[in-house]
Amino acid sequence: EVEVVESGGGLVKPGGSLRLSCAASGRTFSSSSMHWVRQAPGKGLEWVSSISGGSTYIYYADSVKGRFTISRDNAKNSLYLQMNSLRAEDTALYYCARGNLGESPSFDHWGQGTLVTVSS
Amino acid sequence: SYVLTQPPSVSVAPGQTARIPCGGNNVGSRSVHWYQQQPGRAPILVIYYDDGRPSDIPERFSGSNSGNTATLTISRVEAGDEADYYCQVWDSSSEQWVFGGGTKLTVL
Repeated sequence: EVEVVESGGGLVKPGGSLRLSCAASGRTFSSSSMHWVRQAPGKGLEWVSSISGGSTYIYYADSVKGRFTISRDNAKNSLYLQMNSLRAEDTALYYCARGNLGESPSFDHWGQGTLVTVSS
Repeated sequence: SYVLTQPPSVSVAPGQTARIPCGGNNVGSRSVHWYQQQPGRAPILVIYYDDGRPSDIPERFSGSNSGNTATLTISRVEAGDEADYYCQVWDSSSEQWVFGGGTKLTVL
């Protein structure tokens, strides 16, 4: 049974920083790509960032490039998202998702999300 | 950047077939994944690589992809299928994942 659990969300002022964490169990963590996807209140899914199993490949959405940094610690089965220079439009529920194996993998397991609110 | 277009809503009576389209330029040349998100819940994968189905997803769910449209088909629709559905592709040109805007399936 795979479990994905996010943490670290909260209320932060514009321009502030926050670090999200994600713990994943199940299939060998280091073999799996990992992803962050967010959902603003009442809106659709928006991909944020992805990282390959060995951290060789890292990708960001244009909306967060230069402000967010994704990383992982395979020894701790953990994924992170460092968010700097936060804006009101970053307010959303942030999901961590595990990538299936293979090219252009589907996101086969998702956590329940952690809420980030950017407001003064 | 690549764009996936979905209708905001689709309505179907119980027992009928729902078809949810996902349009994109030559999307048939890409692999499409589909997710279901029920109200207040996290998304779950229902179709991968155009027409693959996870073992815990009912056979009523199927997918196809050709030309400029990928389609999620739900046969014998049940009240429990009422949810938002999203398509997804990898855009190698921009090196970004793209989600469609989502379609709300209403079971009448």
